Amino acid sequence: TQLLEQSPQFLSIQEGENLTVYCNSSSVFSSLQWYRQEPGEGPVLLVTVVTGGEVKKLKRLTFQFGDARKDSSLHITAAQPGDTGLYLCALDSNYQLIWGAGTKLIIKP
Amino acid sequence: DAGVIQSPRHEVTEMGQEVTLRCKPISGHNSLFWYRQTMMRGLELLIYFNNNVPIDDSGMPEDRFSAKMPNASFSTLKIQPSEPRDSAVYFCASSIAGAGTGELFFGEGSRLTVL
Repeated sequence: TQLLEQSPQFLSIQEGENLTVYCNSSSVFSSLQWYRQEPGEGPVLLVTVVTGGEVKKLKRLTFQFGDARKDSSLHITAAQPGDTGLYLCALDSNYQLIWGAGTKLIIKP
Repeated sequence: DAGVIQSPRHEVTEMGQEVTLRCKPISGHNSLFWYRQTMMRGLELLIYFNNNVPIDDSGMPEDRFSAKMPNASFSTLKIQPSEPRDSAVYFCASSIAGAGTGELFFGEGSRLTVL
């Protein structure tokens, strides 16, 4: 069974700081999705990474897929209060997604 | 375009009562998922439909839970009888399944509290 581990589980930092959260799997995966969930809402897709070593940027967010396709990271530069939320990674396993437990991120003004 | 629509947004009920949660997926999506989210267990897949047919219900906790999808635009998740441990946020999501799962579009969730 493929498992996804996310770290840290919780992160609280000041506005303007940089941060990195991680998503690691026990197995190689074909693609991985990152979602952000804000309080009271459902998760929303941020990005899908497919190719080993791939780097994708979404404004201040940088997503990286490990060369071995067993890990991924999300780096946020100059974090803003609007970045607050639960960040979830999920790997595509046939017809369903396997979800990590998430990193709860709080950005303090 | 309207996203995934769930109702009710909030439900408070007493133990033993029947609860019905409703979902309208995005038009044209062929896959529908019901999830449950709690602090302790995160997102758990309950059941997955493809083209209105239940494909995998192994995540349904027990016989008290049932789900139907009578047509491409409507699905229900029913809990009967409800128990306090069923308290959670229930999400419906839809997608266009191709070679992979694709992007999941979630509703805003139904927060269930069973007293």
